[in-house]
Amino acid sequence: NAGVTQTPKFQVLKTGQSMTLQCAQDMNHEYMSWYRQDPGMGLRLIHYSVGAGITDQGEVPNGYNVSRSTTEDFPLRLLSAAPSQTSVYFCASSYPPIYEQYFGPGTRLTVT
Amino acid sequence: GEDVEQSLFLSVREGDSSVINCTYTDSSSTYLYWYKQEPGAGLQLLTYIFSNMDMKQDQRLTVLLNKKDKHLSLRIADTQTGDSAIYFCAESQGGATNKLIFGTGTLLAVQP
Repeated sequence: NAGVTQTPKFQVLKTGQSMTLQCAQDMNHEYMSWYRQDPGMGLRLIHYSVGAGITDQGEVPNGYNVSRSTTEDFPLRLLSAAPSQTSVYFCASSYPPIYEQYFGPGTRLTVT
Repeated sequence: GEDVEQSLFLSVREGDSSVINCTYTDSSSTYLYWYKQEPGAGLQLLTYIFSNMDMKQDQRLTVLLNKKDKHLSLRIADTQTGDSAIYFCAESQGGATNKLIFGTGTLLAVQP
């Protein structure tokens, strides 16, 4: 199994540009989520999904959209990038009731 | 709201024991976790404990939970230079959503 994969690893955007961060898992996990990691603030939940077709907001959802059309994929969309979205983004998945969340390697995004 | 706090930095000598502390505010937390993040990598689950347990031991790792004081600690015995990383405490209420609330992370530096 590849586990949780994320692409790209690094990305630089200009303010106002849009892009999609990709996340995929091959473990048939129902639960997937997106976090952002900022210095001194730990990880904060952006959006999550408990299964295909079901998504919900986390702690810091503004400026981000998600969809879950398949069990495997959970893309995160930035519609109009802002410098405040400069961060490292992690995708995670888990299969209840084990509750262990597996994290991807992260995408480092810089918005100038 | 929920809050998880950790000290930012801990320095130990190789071979000594390390103790990383965490406090949380949500009394309904069901699961408490310790994650490890090495430089440039994603998060790796080290261990977790159910809220109805006081202690869990796994090889060199010992987790202690004081539910009354909402205090969680991670003890690493015989600390090695390979243990140098950021350690995150996290809590969740479990269930279908299993949203994790993370602490800010403790940087463990192991001196040879």
